[in-house]
Amino acid sequence: GNSVTQMEGPVTLSEEAFLTINCTYTATGYPSLFWYVQYPGEGLQLLLKATKADDKGSNKGFEATYRKETTSFHLEKGSVQVSDSAVYFCAQGAQKLVFGQGTRLTINP
Amino acid sequence: GAGVSQSPRYKVAKRGQDVALRCDPISGHVSLFWYQQALGQGPEFLTYFQNEAQLDKSGLPSDRFFAERPEGSVSTLKIQRTQQEDSAVYLCASSLVEGARNTIYFGEGSWLTVV
Repeated sequence: GNSVTQMEGPVTLSEEAFLTINCTYTATGYPSLFWYVQYPGEGLQLLLKATKADDKGSNKGFEATYRKETTSFHLEKGSVQVSDSAVYFCAQGAQKLVFGQGTRLTINP
Repeated sequence: GAGVSQSPRYKVAKRGQDVALRCDPISGHVSLFWYQQALGQGPEFLTYFQNEAQLDKSGLPSDRFFAERPEGSVSTLKIQRTQQEDSAVYLCASSLVEGARNTIYFGEGSWLTVV
C-alpha cells in the first residue's frame, strides 16, 4: 500500500544552519506530496506542496522538489531560525492523506 | 473564528464509556476528514465526507467508531465502549472542494485519554 517514510528525529540544529529532512514514499501512480508543520500547541498547517514530478514547492524559505525517479520529497532550508522549531510531517495523497511519522526539529539560538 | 474548530479539546473517558467529538469545518467547505494521531506518530486517515455523504470510511478501526455529518456542515465522531487503545488525538480537517489542488485545513484536535 501507499506509505511515507521520513527521517527520524529529533533533529537539533543551531540557528542559521542548513536543514534537510528526508522523505521517501511508495505509491501506485503519482500522488501529490506535502509537508505539514505542527508548532507547539497548534494544529497541523500546510507548509508546501507539489502536485507533479519535478515541481518545487516553497514557502517561508523552505523548499522541496518532487523527485519521481527517487520517490523522494526532501525538505530543505538554507538558514533555520529558532521560530522553525516544530514537528514536520511529510504526506502523500489527495483527500486521503498518508503521513510519515513526523520529525521533531529544535533550533537553538 | 475562521478556522476548523473542534470540541472538546481534551476529554478523559473511563474505559467502556461512549464519547462524542465535534467538528465545525470552515464555512462553505465541502470536504471534511477525520484523522487519528497516536502519540509520537503521524495522523492516520479515518473517514471522509463530501457534504453529507460519507464517501470513505475505510480507516475506521472498528465498528465502535461512527461518524456523521447530517447537514453537510458540522460533523461528529462517536466512539462507543472506549478502550485504552483509543487514546489519541482526533483531528478534523476540511477543504473547499475535493482534490489535491485544494488546501486541507486542520483543526487543533481533540485529545482523548481513556483510563
